[in-house]
Amino acid sequence: AQKITQTQPGMFVQEKEAVTLDCTYDTSDQSYGLFWYKQPSSGEMIFLIYQGSYDEQNATEGRYSLNFQKARKSANLVISASQLGDSAMYFCAMRFSGTYKYIFGTGTRLKVLA
Amino acid sequence: DTAVSQTPKYLVTQMGNDKSIKCEQNLGHDTMYWYKQDSKKFLKIMFSYNNKELIINETVPNRFSPKSPDKAHLNLHINSLELGDSAVYFCASSQRRDITDTQYFGPGTRLTVL
Repeated sequence: AQKITQTQPGMFVQEKEAVTLDCTYDTSDQSYGLFWYKQPSSGEMIFLIYQGSYDEQNATEGRYSLNFQKARKSANLVISASQLGDSAMYFCAMRFSGTYKYIFGTGTRLKVLA
Repeated sequence: DTAVSQTPKYLVTQMGNDKSIKCEQNLGHDTMYWYKQDSKKFLKIMFSYNNKELIINETVPNRFSPKSPDKAHLNLHINSLELGDSAVYFCASSQRRDITDTQYFGPGTRLTVL
């Protein structure tokens, strides 16, 4: 069965430090896309970064990077130089070839400390 | 310009009432979705339409009925509201049926059933 696991329900990080949010997945498909979304306390879902299963290089978007380890089936989000505004829920999601459906993890609540 | 919009943002109603939530996207996407996010922040897909055709219909009480008058609009009607329907409902849209396709979310509608 296709499944996404985010094992960290909550995390703290000091402002200006880097933090890694874990995401592992279970699939036998070879073709899939991995996404990270941010949900601040205001409630909206904000797309952050995308990684394709065939991409050889890790995706980066500004302070966000995705540490993609295909053999380990992990797609961890790395936030560098954390800011107070990074405090939010973060969701990992997947989409598989030939389907319209996205699967979401249970989320990690990140709190950045001043 | 708001890419995916939902109305209303907040909805407070009594048990047994019928209510609707409207969603519109101006991204030119072909596929739209409804998600339910419960109090634990778990995101569950409910329905999806592609070019006005229902393509995803998850295990949802038949009190919930989606309707897509055109590919830019997807509405959700809920009959005989129950306490357990209280949640945040998100509309989302995406363009293509492939793994690179990013899903964009509306701001959410917080439904409270009293």
